[in-house]
Amino acid sequence: SQQGEEDPQALSIQEGENATMNCSYKTSINNLQWYRQNSGRGLVHLILIRSNEREKHSGRLRVTLDTSKKSSSLLITASRAADTASYFCATDRSGGYQKVTFGTGTKLQVIP
Amino acid sequence: GAGVSQTPSNKVTEKGKYVELRCDPISGHTALYWYRQSLGQGPEFLIYFQGTGAADDSGLPNDRFFAVRPEGSVSTLKIQRTERGDSAVYLCASSFSESSGATGELFFGEGSRLTVL
Repeated sequence: SQQGEEDPQALSIQEGENATMNCSYKTSINNLQWYRQNSGRGLVHLILIRSNEREKHSGRLRVTLDTSKKSSSLLITASRAADTASYFCATDRSGGYQKVTFGTGTKLQVIP
Repeated sequence: GAGVSQTPSNKVTEKGKYVELRCDPISGHTALYWYRQSLGQGPEFLIYFQGTGAADDSGLPNDRFFAVRPEGSVSTLKIQRTERGDSAVYLCASSFSESSGATGELFFGEGSRLTVL
């Protein structure tokens, strides 16, 4: 079963614009992670935010976490054609569970 | 190697046959995960190992699916009596569990694409 749901399901933007993707999840979590997947490839870790953090940055990425709303957002600033990929959020439940479940993904297309 | 290695990268089999998919995780990673991904979907959790033991196998769809990790390193996902609905990409990931018990970053292999004819 999928723990999270991303929206939008698909997003198409021009190069240089910002891209925002949202993730909602169902249970209390330890960590929330974002991954990227190029077509036909494995997933690559982008960023991890802990349940006691509200915002985190890494290069052109900014992640926010609102545990009261059980939601997170990923912002990619100044997008590039090479950012074209699918993006997934992943969570592991609090309480010592280490099972990591993924959302349904947002397919991002950045048009040069 | 430095990353997670999965073999075979592609497997075509006939309905009813037995299949084994192998995952070689990053050395020293105690946690190992198997996921299944269908086209256009997110990875679907199958099973998670901590060391040699299956800590959570709640995602295995039925008793045709089984996974082992006998020495706490390489893992094999075994599928008996394959069905056309088993066709998917099977992803393996490994992780170094944090001292808190929470899960850290997962490192994924490139996946094994299974096609059941």
